[in-house]
Amino acid sequence: KAGVTQTPRYLIKTRGQQVTLSCSPISGHRSVSWYQQTPGQGLQFLFEYFSETQRNKGNFPGRFSGRQFSNSRSEMNVSTLELGDSALYLCASSQLAGGSTDTQYFGPGTRLTVL
Amino acid sequence: DAKTTQPNSMESNEEEPVHLPCNHSTISGTDYIHWYRQLPSQGPEYVIHGLTSNVNNRMASLAIAEDRKSSTLILHRATLRDAAVYYCILRRVSGNTPLVFGKGTRLSVIA
Repeated sequence: KAGVTQTPRYLIKTRGQQVTLSCSPISGHRSVSWYQQTPGQGLQFLFEYFSETQRNKGNFPGRFSGRQFSNSRSEMNVSTLELGDSALYLCASSQLAGGSTDTQYFGPGTRLTVL
Repeated sequence: DAKTTQPNSMESNEEEPVHLPCNHSTISGTDYIHWYRQLPSQGPEYVIHGLTSNVNNRMASLAIAEDRKSSTLILHRATLRDAAVYYCILRRVSGNTPLVFGKGTRLSVIA
């Protein structure tokens, strides 16, 4: 089985622009979660989608949004980029929506640099 | 969310066993203990999880204290490839809870 894929792997944007990141989950997985990783804050949860519905949302401003398509692929969008949005954005997929024993499989991430 | 406490860093010699501790004194009876690790330049990967009993899989063993206030991830023979940040995470049985990552333990393996 192919793993979680994320595109693009690297991205450079300037302040004020917007960006869309894409995630393709493992085949058969219906849940997709997004995380932001920075040196200062570590790994922080952004949001989770299951069957095209947002099930959980982290503590991020409304500039961060996402969606999931009927084939479980997901996109996240960041509008009006700020320097502090520079980070590694990780996508994870799982078969179920959360749950204490559900294993999440992470992609390699998209490295976003905001200049 | 119940919190976990891990040492910032640990060091091990190659082919020696490694015991990575995690304290979770406020754990509730419905919290599972999960371990993930993040190798350099990669996304995190699942290692193991357990509730009350010790668990083994091909990657590692998880030893859970009888009162469940602490646990230890055991790598039986560390290799250079095991150098990573190891995260101990609690996940509640009920509800759809995301993974809440702490700072983790950075494990260095010396050849």
